[in-house]
Amino acid sequence: DAGVIQSPRHEVTEMGQEVTLRCKPISGHNSLFWYRQTMMRGLELLIYFNNNVPIDDSGMPEDRFSAKMPNASFSTLKIQPSEPRDSAVYFCASSYGGLNTEAFFGQGTRLTVV
Amino acid sequence: AQTVTQSQPEMSVQEAETVTLSCTYDTSESDYYLFWYKQPPSRQMILVIRQEAYKQQNATENRFSVNFQKAAKSFSLKISDSQLGDAAMYFCAYRSAMAGGGADGLTFGKGTHLIIQP
Repeated sequence: DAGVIQSPRHEVTEMGQEVTLRCKPISGHNSLFWYRQTMMRGLELLIYFNNNVPIDDSGMPEDRFSAKMPNASFSTLKIQPSEPRDSAVYFCASSYGGLNTEAFFGQGTRLTVV
Repeated sequence: AQTVTQSQPEMSVQEAETVTLSCTYDTSESDYYLFWYKQPPSRQMILVIRQEAYKQQNATENRFSVNFQKAAKSFSLKISDSQLGDAAMYFCAYRSAMAGGGADGLTFGKGTHLIIQP
């Protein structure tokens, strides 16, 4: 299995532009998570989906952030408009059911907003 | 809300020695799961070890073991025979067992940077 695949690995964009981060979870996994990692705040859960349905988006910082999961094999995290303080590493992770299952992480997207 | 605290921003250990990374957490729940993740410079988050709160026996994975003290809400990671490849950021994480389906996300500590001295 190729694991959780995120694209792009790196993204540099100008303030005000729209940014879309992509994630392909591991086949068969039914839960998908988006995390953000910064030096100041560490790793924070932004949103998670169960069976393609958003369950908890309380971690999404602002209305500028939105996430979708149109099917079991694809999810996007969009920031519009982007701001310099959105610069961070964004991780996608997936897991399969159960209460003790491991979350497998992608390699993250490093976003820089200038 | 649960919180996870890692009080050691950085630790250093000689190769082949043993090192212990500290983690404490705060929760009002009785059933939950605890994890240690490793993040090397490649950024990949790798699960090192996990512990179910209802199990009294401490989890062990080869050179990695935990000291789980439920009453004290402490979950430390011991790395024996440290190797250069162990150098990384280590994150302690908590997940509730209350929600159905295990879909709850992880709450992470701020991490400990482990340096291995050759």
